Amino acid sequence: GQQLNQSPQSMFIQEGEDVSMNCTSSSIFNTWLWYKQDPGEGPVLLIALYKAGELTSNGRLTAQFGITRKDSFLNISASIPSDVGIYFCAGQRKSGGSNYKLTFGKGTLLTVNP
Amino acid sequence: DAGITQSPRHKVTETGTPVTLRCHQTENHRYMYWYRQDPGHGLRLIHYSYGVKDTDKGEVSDGYSVSRSKTEDFLLTLESATSSQTSVYFCAITSDSLFKPSGNTIYFGEGSWLTVV
Repeated sequence: GQQLNQSPQSMFIQEGEDVSMNCTSSSIFNTWLWYKQDPGEGPVLLIALYKAGELTSNGRLTAQFGITRKDSFLNISASIPSDVGIYFCAGQRKSGGSNYKLTFGKGTLLTVNP
Repeated sequence: DAGITQSPRHKVTETGTPVTLRCHQTENHRYMYWYRQDPGHGLRLIHYSYGVKDTDKGEVSDGYSVSRSKTEDFLLTLESATSSQTSVYFCAITSDSLFKPSGNTIYFGEGSWLTVV
């Protein structure tokens, strides 16, 4: 299946720094979702975006739905050690009836040095 | 918390044996999904269900079957386990109450780690 292009693949930053990651695709999506996965756990939904151009915040996290519908970014401000994990983007588009197909990026591994 | 429980959480099995993973949800969600997660491939959809006894294939369905006889349970069966099916399996749910005009929000369980030796 199609994968989203998620970058960077990994980041190693100092505590307190801001982080930015993004996903791009050659296809249009109706929805963008951002997840975080801790070791040994399932992905946890951070932010959901439903409209092109939408900018949504969740605490120190901010995500935007690209105006072209083909991209999205996630920013984390003032990173802390518990931000460590793998961040996934997921794009969703209608695949018939009321079914929606979800396509995942391969993830960004974030390491925060205290 | 989307009320999703996966069992078993960890299992080691031998090649050629059947294995069933269970996903149980407590909140009457309509849609349920099984994904597998592997290094270099990310999350890939195996099968999904859009109601009791209504299921369909995802992108990596070969070697897997599913059943949904009750709203709350979605079972994934590996008919004859192979080493290539060693993976982490995630159940996910969504529902009409989470439906937006442009898509719906999907929540994941905690995963089932399966090793086929």
